[in-house]
Amino acid sequence: QVQLVQSGAEVKKPGASVKVSCKTSGYTFTNNWMHWVRQAPGQGLEWMGVINPSDGVTHYAQKLQGRVTMTRDTSTSTVYMDLSTLRSEDTAVYYCARDHSNDNTWWFDPWGQGTLVTVSS
Amino acid sequence: SSELTQDPAVSVALGQTVRITCQGDSLRSYYASWYQQKPGQAPVLVFYGKNNRPSGIPDRFSGSSSGNTGSLTITGAQAEDEADYYCYSRDTTGNQWVFGGGTKLTVL
Repeated sequence: QVQLVQSGAEVKKPGASVKVSCKTSGYTFTNNWMHWVRQAPGQGLEWMGVINPSDGVTHYAQKLQGRVTMTRDTSTSTVYMDLSTLRSEDTAVYYCARDHSNDNTWWFDPWGQGTLVTVSS
Repeated sequence: SSELTQDPAVSVALGQTVRITCQGDSLRSYYASWYQQKPGQAPVLVFYGKNNRPSGIPDRFSGSSSGNTGSLTITGAQAEDEADYYCYSRDTTGNQWVFGGGTKLTVL
């Protein structure tokens, strides 16, 4: 079955960077785009960006442009999300989610289990 | 960029029907997908597009769309349906996607 397994929780100081991984299995890695979504404590879901594993093309949320970088490693079927210049507002659970689209609809299935990133001095 | 607007909270009596709505300009062009999230868990897809329910999702979950509004309807709500619900769609302004703010559903 399709699985997205994310790396473990991180604690970072303000100004540092964090890199979260999402290892995929159970399907052809290059067939589906992969999105990253985050959720701050007690808040809603926030779309961060997407990467096409086939060619590495990315699209990022405007508010994160310049701080977020998404990459992929086709040899290990893994995608990565790097967020730099961390601030306390970046404390959140970060999810990867496999993209599907058809007939003017986009949806995620499945999601990774989530990675808690805590930014604290 | 466009936004998707949801009511922050909705309640329904056990066994009754509830509709959760999502409004936004992008929904005039695209269909929404819907996610259920329970505390401490990752979101789960419950409905998407014009008329698609993932396998394993009870048929009491259905969706519809009209104008700039997408809706998720739960017919005969159960206690286990108490959760946060999010809509999601593509933005019309480019390669951006967006979530609604979420609706907290309480089953009384």
